[in-house]
Amino acid sequence: NAGVTQTPKFRILKIGQSMTLQCTQDMNHNYMYWYRQDPGMGLKLIYYSVGAGITDKGEVPNGYNVSRSTTEDFPLRLELAAPSQTSVYFCASSYASPNEQFFGPGTRLTVL
Amino acid sequence: GQQLNQSPQSMFIQEGEDVSMNCTSSSIFNTWLWYKQDPGEGPVLLIALYKAGELTSNGRLTAQFGITRKDSFLNISASIPSDVGIYFCAGQLYNSGGGADGLTFGKGTHLIIQP
Repeated sequence: NAGVTQTPKFRILKIGQSMTLQCTQDMNHNYMYWYRQDPGMGLKLIYYSVGAGITDKGEVPNGYNVSRSTTEDFPLRLELAAPSQTSVYFCASSYASPNEQFFGPGTRLTVL
Repeated sequence: GQQLNQSPQSMFIQEGEDVSMNCTSSSIFNTWLWYKQDPGEGPVLLIALYKAGELTSNGRLTAQFGITRKDSFLNISASIPSDVGIYFCAGQLYNSGGGADGLTFGKGTHLIIQP
């Protein structure tokens, strides 16, 4: 099992550009999550999904969108990138909730 | 949203020493998790706690879920160089539907070990 994989590892965007952060898990987990981590801080929840076709907002959803068309994939979309979205983004998954969440390696995004 | 206060922010210790860190919250949590994060990596789960009062060990690591459900601690015994990293506590609440939402994280404890 590869676990949770994320692409790309690094990305630099200009203000106003858009991009999609990819996340895939091969553990057949129902629950998937997107977090962002700012320097010196813990992770904050952006969006989560309890299964294909179902998504919900977390603590900091503004400026982001998600979709969940399959169990395996949970992409995060930034439509109009802003400097405040410079951060490291982590995707996670769990079989159930509450339950242990397994994290991907992260995507480091810089918006200039 | 909920806030977790994690302390200390950083620890400088000698190899072989024991380490203790804790998390407190003004809110009650149903689950407490402890993660370790190495530079450039995602957090890796160390210990999961599901019941108030629960004490769980994983090798040299021991964690407890506080009786009030508002706190948890993590102890590391006989520290070794590979214990260096950032340790995060995370709490999880049950929602009205009986499931649970995402995790609320503390700001982390940065552990530095001097050989």
